[in-house]
Amino acid sequence: GDSVTQMEGPVTLSEEAFLTINCTYTATGYPSLFWYVQYPGEGLQLLLKATKADDKGSNKGFEATYRKETTSFHLEKGSVQVSDSAVYFCALSDTGFQKLVFGTGTRLLVSP
Amino acid sequence: TAGITQAPTSQILAAGRSMTLRCTQDMRHNAMYWYRQDLGLGLRLIHYSNTAGTTGKGEVPDGYSVSRANTDDFPLTLASAVPSQTSVYFCASSELAGQETQYFGPGTRLLVL
Repeated sequence: GDSVTQMEGPVTLSEEAFLTINCTYTATGYPSLFWYVQYPGEGLQLLLKATKADDKGSNKGFEATYRKETTSFHLEKGSVQVSDSAVYFCALSDTGFQKLVFGTGTRLLVSP
Repeated sequence: TAGITQAPTSQILAAGRSMTLRCTQDMRHNAMYWYRQDLGLGLRLIHYSNTAGTTGKGEVPDGYSVSRANTDDFPLTLASAVPSQTSVYFCASSELAGQETQYFGPGTRLLVL
């Protein structure tokens, strides 16, 4: 079945450092891809998404490009802030069963 | 806009007892979902409903039941709780089932002793 694999955390960075969180997927068909973010004590909220190959999703300085050839959707940000500390989930929309399939999440800790 | 509300916020439950987790959305979304979140496992789908009056099983449905009597409400029931059901439960909704953004509630933290 469809699956998402993302790098284990925690990822620990200093403020203003460059961020990459890797995400790869396995899917039949052509899923949409998502990054969700969960701040401490809250539910998940959509960060960005891409619906077809070579699309780039972006929001709040974060970017991710849908790479069909490498089945990847890596999350990047040029300069992280302390307020970016959260857990980030990569997900795909399973077109066969019309559900979201989530990765296990990557915790990001940004220190001043 | 409230979006999705869940109740209770947290609960301690004795094993063998039953409990219903409530979820209500005010966005008139057709599809609703229940997930559980466990450390190292991410989010796993328990049950879903593509539209009022229909429900389906997700990845980990055993020990849980749902109903969808109307568009707004999607309660999750644990008939006889077990310690392995200790988790954080999230309700979510999307305008349509399929390739759509899902909106999540704040979660219910459940401890089964």
